[in-house]
Amino acid sequence: SAVISQKPSRDICQRGTSLTIQCQVDSQVTMMFWYRQQPGQSLTLIATANQGSEATYESGFVIDKFPISRPNLTFSTLTVSNMSPEDSSIYLCGGGMELGNTIYFGEGSWLTVV
Amino acid sequence: DQQVKQNSPSLSVQEGRISILNCDYTNSMFDYFLWYKKYPAEGPTFLISISSIKDKNEDGRFTVFLNKSAKHLSLHIVPSQPGDSAVYFCAALPWGNTGKLIFGQGTTLQVKP
Repeated sequence: SAVISQKPSRDICQRGTSLTIQCQVDSQVTMMFWYRQQPGQSLTLIATANQGSEATYESGFVIDKFPISRPNLTFSTLTVSNMSPEDSSIYLCGGGMELGNTIYFGEGSWLTVV
Repeated sequence: DQQVKQNSPSLSVQEGRISILNCDYTNSMFDYFLWYKKYPAEGPTFLISISSIKDKNEDGRFTVFLNKSAKHLSLHIVPSQPGDSAVYFCAALPWGNTGKLIFGQGTTLQVKP
């Protein structure tokens, strides 16, 4: 399995502010992803973080709202911009290995927007 | 449009008995399936997976069965232990879409001592 670390693990944020979540993975991981789990919902892929280029976003997610960076192979950030209470979710960093189908997840970042 | 469905939101089992968690899917392009376990305040932990070319995969107390014709898979845990109490997510991977897991809604398993 892969080691994936996220921070912050939990935060309470004011409406209208932005928060950046950091994800660090071990060297086995070549692919990085960001998922969201809204309260009572399933996990949904936000985007694939691409090293040195723009992330690939899934339908319903846009770069202005969820800017993502991946400056090197083992580090990525997700920013949740201009937050509203609807953004209260668990944000999960996922990592996969070359030629592998399994995605491993970090501990998650629990955001509550008030 | 829920492509992966876990129709039982919860399941309660006695310790030592078998737990069977079910998952149905609609997309025939899914070619890899995974099960994750999630404890409160933690991220999902990978449990076991199965390729669409197989019908069974076993790892210790965990066995996943795949019935492609019925578009159904199940996770068997035997014997069940109180530490297995968690939310279990079924996930499917479309062919050629690494990382784009489609998750079910989850089933909360409670194993009673």
